[in-house]
Amino acid sequence: GDSVTQMEGPVTLSEEAFLTINCTYTATGYPSLFWYVQYPGEGLQLLLKATKADDKGSNKGFEATYRKETTSFHLEKGSVQVSDSAVYFCALSQKLGFQKLVFGTGTRLLVSP
Amino acid sequence: DADVTQTPRNRITKTGKRIMLECSQTKGHDRMYWYRQDPGLGLRLIYYSFDVKDINKGEISDGYSVSRQAQAKFSLSLESAIPNQTALYFCATSAGGHYEQYFGPGTRLTVT
Repeated sequence: GDSVTQMEGPVTLSEEAFLTINCTYTATGYPSLFWYVQYPGEGLQLLLKATKADDKGSNKGFEATYRKETTSFHLEKGSVQVSDSAVYFCALSQKLGFQKLVFGTGTRLLVSP
Repeated sequence: DADVTQTPRNRITKTGKRIMLECSQTKGHDRMYWYRQDPGLGLRLIYYSFDVKDINKGEISDGYSVSRQAQAKFSLSLESAIPNQTALYFCATSAGGHYEQYFGPGTRLTVT
């Protein structure tokens, strides 16, 4: 079945550092890809998405590009802030049928001043 | 006000007790979901509902049941709680034909 693999955390960075969180997937066809973010004590929020190969999703300075050839959807940000400290989940959804979200295990990001 | 609300936010219960977690949404979405989150396992789908008359099991439905009382309300019940059901539970909604899901704030359940 479909699956998502994320790098294990925590990822610890200083403020203004460059962020990369790796995400690869296994799926049939051409799923939609997502990054969700979970701030402490809150539910998940959609951060960005991409629905086809070579699409770039972006939001709040975060970006991720749908790479079909490497089955990857890595999350990047040029300069992180303390307020970006959260858990980040990569997920996919098939476009047909149930459209169930399949999540990775999450990567915790800790940003220090 | 939040679009997806969950009650209670925290609950401690004893083994063998029946417990209900409630979810309400004001987004007008047809689809609703229940997930549980465990450390290192991400989110796993318990049940999902496409409308009031359409309820389906997810990947980990054993020990759980649900009720879709109205389009806006979806409840999760643990018939006889056991300690390995200790987890963070999330309700989510989505509009038919779209892919984004919108999550509630979660219920932290502890079974002693």
